[in-house]
Amino acid sequence: DIQMTQSPASLSASLEEIVTITCKASQGIDDYLSWYQQKPGKSPQLLIYDATSLADGVPSRFSGSRSGTQYSLKISRPQVDDSGIYYCLQSYSTPYTFGAGTKLELK
Amino acid sequence: QVTLKESGPGILQPSQTLSLTCTFSGFSLSTYGMGVGWIRQPSGKGLEWLANIWWDDDKYYNPSLKNRLTISKDTSNNQAFLKITNVDTADTATYYCARIIRVMDAWGQGASVTVSS
Repeated sequence: DIQMTQSPASLSASLEEIVTITCKASQGIDDYLSWYQQKPGKSPQLLIYDATSLADGVPSRFSGSRSGTQYSLKISRPQVDDSGIYYCLQSYSTPYTFGAGTKLELK
Repeated sequence: QVTLKESGPGILQPSQTLSLTCTFSGFSLSTYGMGVGWIRQPSGKGLEWLANIWWDDDKYYNPSLKNRLTISKDTSNNQAFLKITNVDTADTATYYCARIIRVMDAWGQGASVTVSS
């Protein structure tokens, strides 16, 4: 199974910061990497797919990148509404595996 | 507009079989490249992928559930199904279905399932 090591587990950021969340894959996943945002009591919403492509309707302050087998989600000038839990998902091979999640709080 | 909605029994007892239905609209599971996946999330915990079914009836399962899973579809009625046999309290979770076109791009609202005696 491919392990996705996500960090940090939680973070508190101001509205002026750049927030970065990372997921490191235990092996190459050919950019089959997506990012999701989940708010309390809601289902996950797709933000980024294919590592760097912005999903329809997602604000441009969200972006994805890759360096080796480490994938990053960046939120530039986050808004209060960006609070929630963020997950990465590798869909390169089954079993699909999610990162453990990052809880983002905006202050 | 793509929508998915999960339905299930709500509560069931240990050792019973959990049957879940995903009813969707806005796409067809007979379309080339289309798939539906099932994912679950225990309360306060992370996401776990369970199974996928594809337009050509190809199926993939999470081996961690040790052959307890069966995924199927009814293309004519725009539904996908998941059965989990011999449930235990550890199967208590919210169960989601999601459309797959290379990526899980649309999710249902989730169905809460509690396993309790």
